[in-house]
Amino acid sequence: EAQVTQNPRYLITVTGKKLTVTCSQNMNHEYMSWYRQDPGLGLRQIYYSMNVEVTDKGDVPEGYKVSRKEKRNFPLILESPSPNQTSLYFCASGGQGNTGELFFGEGSRLTVL
Amino acid sequence: AQSVAQPEDQVNVAEGNPLTVKCTYSVSGNPYLFWYVQYPNRGLQFLLKYITGDNLVKGSYGFEAEFNKSQTSFHLKKPSALVSDSALYFCAVRPLAGTGGYQKVTFGTGTKLQVIP
Repeated sequence: EAQVTQNPRYLITVTGKKLTVTCSQNMNHEYMSWYRQDPGLGLRQIYYSMNVEVTDKGDVPEGYKVSRKEKRNFPLILESPSPNQTSLYFCASGGQGNTGELFFGEGSRLTVL
Repeated sequence: AQSVAQPEDQVNVAEGNPLTVKCTYSVSGNPYLFWYVQYPNRGLQFLLKYITGDNLVKGSYGFEAEFNKSQTSFHLKKPSALVSDSALYFCAVRPLAGTGGYQKVTFGTGTKLQVIP
């Protein structure tokens, strides 16, 4: 089954404790991206990757890091989480052709105390 | 800069009635337009897209959307609403291929659709 898998789905952590949210897709997609969803703000792009070893900042990259060492994986790293990073995070991927839709993971709800 | 506006935070409709969820956009050149649906505790799922051609686009679950270039709108519609259609709906836009790819997708803030039995 074609899917984007995120882990963990739910996480409560404390300020400053490094964490990683993993994202993996099995569709051989070149493009992957991270979004955060906040009430009243919709989805905002954090980082994206056009292909392996190619990443770039989205609209709200501060406080986040990413890496793309393999085509299927695109982890989101919070080196020193802060309460304003409490949010719902989505990973998405897209294939070739550049006209298609994005495929989303189920989301990771992060709470930073 | 491109943008998407979903003017209604929430739309309430009685089951069996037609529904419309509004979306207007601003983008340089011709747009690619999308609708996604998000059910509680789930990720976004693709509903339909407009790339080119017929202004009326049909998608999943009986939904359709009408592209109106002069009004820069892409409203989502369904002739007869179901309670199971209750969800959060997002409109999205990106510029024509060659001027920007997936990374240029901009999402609206979402409209909560409530279908009342």
